[in-house]
Amino acid sequence: QQQVKQSPQSLIVQKGGISIINCAYENTAFDYFPWYQQFPGKGPALLIAIRPDVSEKKEGRFTISFNKSAKQFSLHIMDSQPGDSATYFCAASFGSGNTGKLIFGQGTTLQVKP
Amino acid sequence: EAGVAQSPRYKIIEKRQSVAFWCNPISGHATLYWYQQILGQGPKLLIQFQNNGVVDDSQLPKDRFSAERLKGVDSTLKIQPAKLEDSAVYLCASILAPGRGETQYFGPGTRLLVL
Repeated sequence: QQQVKQSPQSLIVQKGGISIINCAYENTAFDYFPWYQQFPGKGPALLIAIRPDVSEKKEGRFTISFNKSAKQFSLHIMDSQPGDSATYFCAASFGSGNTGKLIFGQGTTLQVKP
Repeated sequence: EAGVAQSPRYKIIEKRQSVAFWCNPISGHATLYWYQQILGQGPKLLIQFQNNGVVDDSQLPKDRFSAERLKGVDSTLKIQPAKLEDSAVYLCASILAPGRGETQYFGPGTRLLVL
């Protein structure tokens, strides 16, 4: 019940294209859903995050779409660039009053071809 | 603002040996996490500290792993004795205080290879 399932495992996109990564969860107590970006040899860094009271959040080229009834959320990267090539992790955590522990998905390796 | 510091960056040991990792969180961050990231997987929480007290160590293999956070600042994670399956990147993260929407800042990790 505390799992977060992420797909696809890997993704190849042409420069300028749209990258889409999907995640699904079971536990309806989750109320914070961040996406992390990780480059080789580096720790994960927060990219964008959403709470379940909104269905979409956009920051620059990055958009999270959230479907509470389906218990799914996705990351869309518009106008993908070679510099976006990295591993992306979705995650979920419990909200206020809890520990802030993150449950991560398995990760998606994105390659953007020039 | 300085980030989360970790050392060493790489460590190679033989199985059954012991190893220790060090983490210095962002100044003023009360909560510190240790995660294990096995190749090709997402990070998995091992232990969480609030100041110098343990909040969650339910996923820590306590027969071989131990961790401490003296004076609520730096933390060390130890493995003794190491097994082949402990080969992974050990990530330290910190936040100001737990709560809804707090950003966890991660260090670069320590890559451990157990031979």
